[in-house]
Amino acid sequence: EVQLVESGGGLVQPGGSLRLSCAASGFTFSSYWMHWVRQAPGKGPVWVSRIHTDGSSTNYADSVKGRFTISRDNAKNTLYLQMNSLRVDDTAVYYCVRDSMIVGHRFDNWGQGTLVTVSS
Amino acid sequence: DIQMTQSPSSLSASVGDRVTITCQASQDITNYLNWYQQKPGKAPKLLIYDASNLETGVPSRFSGSGSGTDFTFTISSLQPEDIATYYCQQYDNLFTWTFGQGTKVEIK
Repeated sequence: EVQLVESGGGLVQPGGSLRLSCAASGFTFSSYWMHWVRQAPGKGPVWVSRIHTDGSSTNYADSVKGRFTISRDNAKNTLYLQMNSLRVDDTAVYYCVRDSMIVGHRFDNWGQGTLVTVSS
Repeated sequence: DIQMTQSPSSLSASVGDRVTITCQASQDITNYLNWYQQKPGKAPKLLIYDASNLETGVPSRFSGSGSGTDFTFTISSLQPEDIATYYCQQYDNLFTWTFGQGTKVEIK
């Protein structure tokens, strides 16, 4: 069974930093693209970032480019999101998501999410 | 960037009713259109992929159709457990994924 378990969320002040982790199990982690998707309270999901299987290629939404960094450790089956210069509008539940790796690249497995609150 | 326009934003229907949600892309996305169900406090769940393919384990009352810019999601017979918010989502082959605004489905 595929499992994705996020951690690292919490309350942080504007301008602060936070690192999210996602522990993956039940599949060959190193064979899949992985994503972070966030959802602000009462809003729809928004794609944040994507990383290639070996970490060689990454992509970001314009809203986080230059502030967030996605990375992975395939030996530890773990995905990360380093978030710097956090803003109030980064407040959201952050989901770790597996890519199907099939043409169309749908999101076929999601973690339970971790809440990040940016507030003074 | 490709924009997704989903409608309606909410709907109320009776158990057993046929429910239809539409999603329009701002440009041709061939069939790279997926549908997700999200229940309160839970992560989204993939229901339909590539516009019309049912994800494994999803009840057959859910279906999708369309290609190009216009897509439709249908629940053929609404059940109480289908109360949720539904989102369309597209992939544009340029490493960008976009969700629609969502449709909240309630029981009348």
